[in-house]
Amino acid sequence: QSALTQPASVSGSPGQSITISCTGTSSDVGGYKYVSWYQQHPGKAPKLMIYDVSNRPSGVSNRFSGSKSGNTASLTISGLQAEDEADYYCSSYTSSTTLVVFGGGTKLTVL
Amino acid sequence: QVQLVQSGAEVKKPGASVKVSCKASGYTFIGYYMHWVRQAPGQGLEWMGQINPNSGGTNYAQKFQGRVTMTRDTSISTAYMELSRLRSDDTAVYYCAKVLYGDYGGDYWGQGTLVTVSS
Repeated sequence: QSALTQPASVSGSPGQSITISCTGTSSDVGGYKYVSWYQQHPGKAPKLMIYDVSNRPSGVSNRFSGSKSGNTASLTISGLQAEDEADYYCSSYTSSTTLVVFGGGTKLTVL
Repeated sequence: QVQLVQSGAEVKKPGASVKVSCKASGYTFIGYYMHWVRQAPGQGLEWMGQINPNSGGTNYAQKFQGRVTMTRDTSISTAYMELSRLRSDDTAVYYCAKVLYGDYGGDYWGQGTLVTVSS
């Protein structure tokens, strides 16, 4: 059981927008700005897509955006493309001894 | 360009230890924390801990306390993660990740090292 809760799967058609949620507590997502999102294609290392809730690293498409409300963070992908099909993980700083927790991951299928 | 190159795959017996290396290049090694994250087959990501390459200070996930040791050799810009008393459920791909300054997001990742624990 992961510390952060994500839907197991989401799907959308090319050109559509989807949102993936990531629910934690006030000890992690709700209490700090350090929420990140990663994209992982099969057999590859994770790639940072969003950090500090809503910041995009250089080189990441502006079709990816992040937000947070209370204890839930969200990743939105607009203008879905086939190459967006991947697993997505959220992570957050946490006030426990374990400094970083991940969500269980969400498999995005582009129909 | 930033690169993290990890050591090769390992096969270990239960009860043994494994040490994975992560050689950094393209940036100031001592300037950024390094995280270690693992992923069991077909499973999600799991944070194991972090090391401050400058001071050598570490923080470990509670789950791995007493079994994991993270070290570094600044002369060769390399971080290490050693996991002891291996069990079959330690079979996973182990990643190192350079962390954004003052943050907890990993902006560059190694290619991963598969550690298989089997009798």
